[in-house]
Amino acid sequence: AQKVTQAQTEISVVEKEDVTLDCVYETRDTTYYLFWYKQPPSGELVFLIRRNSFDEQNEISGRYSWNFQKSTSSFNFTITASQVVDSAVYFCALSEAGRDDKIIFGKGTRLHILP
Amino acid sequence: NAGVTQTPKFRILKIGQSMTLQCTQDMNHNYMYWYRQDPGMGLKLIYYSVGAGITDKGEVPNGYNVSRSTTEDFPLRLELAAPSQTSVYFCASSTGQGGNTQYFGPGTRLTVL
Repeated sequence: AQKVTQAQTEISVVEKEDVTLDCVYETRDTTYYLFWYKQPPSGELVFLIRRNSFDEQNEISGRYSWNFQKSTSSFNFTITASQVVDSAVYFCALSEAGRDDKIIFGKGTRLHILP
Repeated sequence: NAGVTQTPKFRILKIGQSMTLQCTQDMNHNYMYWYRQDPGMGLKLIYYSVGAGITDKGEVPNGYNVSRSTTEDFPLRLELAAPSQTSVYFCASSTGQGGNTQYFGPGTRLTVL
């Protein structure tokens, strides 16, 4: 069965610090997709990144970076030099190939960036 | 492009009332989804559709119904509202091509009293 675990319920850091959000997933499929979404206080869900199971390259986008490690079934998200605007709930999610694009979401990590 | 739009943004229902949450997408996506998000929780799939005329149950379908008569629209109906249905409801769409990204509407905040 597929499952996504975000063990960190809530994190608070001071602005400009780096912070890593953890995501561990479970799946029996060899082909799957991993996602990160951001939900700011306004409530909408913003897509950040998608990774397929055959691409373990780390990705960097500005202050955001993602570390995908199949050996540990993890897809961690790091924000470098955090800013107050990064305050949000971040969801990790998993989609297995051939399952009508259904996505299983983790419970989310609420990130507070303190000024 | 408007993307995925949802109406209404907020609604308060009394127990036993019914209502329809509207969802429309203008991206010509075949796949559409309804999720609910309870406080402090992730999203749970209620129903989904892989094309006009085709719908299927998700993880938590009880108390809800859907229809998909066009590619663009995917309304969610609550027949007999219950307090347990107090939640934020999100509609999403995707092309459905192998792990393609789901794009979400702004959500509808529903309270059942």
